[in-house]
Amino acid sequence: DIQMTQSPSSLSASVGDRVTITCRASQSIGSYLNWYQQKPGKAPKLLIYSASFLQSGVPSRFSGSGSGTDFTLTISSLQPEDFATYYCQQSYTTPLTFGGGTKVEIK
Amino acid sequence: QGQLVQSGAEVKVPGASVKVSCKTSGYTFTSSGITWVRQAPGQGLEWMGWISTYNGNTNYAQQFQGRVTVTTDTSTSTVYLELRSLRSDDTAVYYCARDPDSSGYAAYGMDVWGQGTTVTVSS
Repeated sequence: DIQMTQSPSSLSASVGDRVTITCRASQSIGSYLNWYQQKPGKAPKLLIYSASFLQSGVPSRFSGSGSGTDFTLTISSLQPEDFATYYCQQSYTTPLTFGGGTKVEIK
Repeated sequence: QGQLVQSGAEVKVPGASVKVSCKTSGYTFTSSGITWVRQAPGQGLEWMGWISTYNGNTNYAQQFQGRVTVTTDTSTSTVYLELRSLRSDDTAVYYCARDPDSSGYAAYGMDVWGQGTTVTVSS
């Protein structure tokens, strides 16, 4: 199975900060990488697919980059509604696997 | 845009089975597959398997092989997840999610999610 490792596991940031979350795959997965946001008690929400494509309706402050084994999710200016847990997920092969999550908290 | 509505919470004893439903609406049922993902309390997301609503093909995670069955009812646009021989570590929220990628690899992400069904396994 492909292991997905996210860092950091948690971070504290202020409204307006630029936030970067990284995701590393245990082997090359091309651009087959998706990002999700999950708030407590809610289902995950798709933010980015195929490493860098913004899902319809998602604010443009979210962006994704990377290919191969190293990927990044960036929030250019953190908003109050962005405090949540973020997961990466590889779609290169089954079993599909997720990173362990990054919890973004208010500083 | 699409909507997925799941059945209600379940409480089961160890060794029992559970069947969770996922009713779809707002899009052509056979145009997208359905993936099942679970989340144990305080834990991350775990892929369980996928079904093609077009031809019924399935793909299950190895750790659930033999215990899980995913089926569809095209007449009601509903997908079902059955998990057998339940154990305490099957206690989790179970989500269905739409996968527009016909191969089941979620190449475009899982773009619509159900609200989740809590399954509690306890004696």
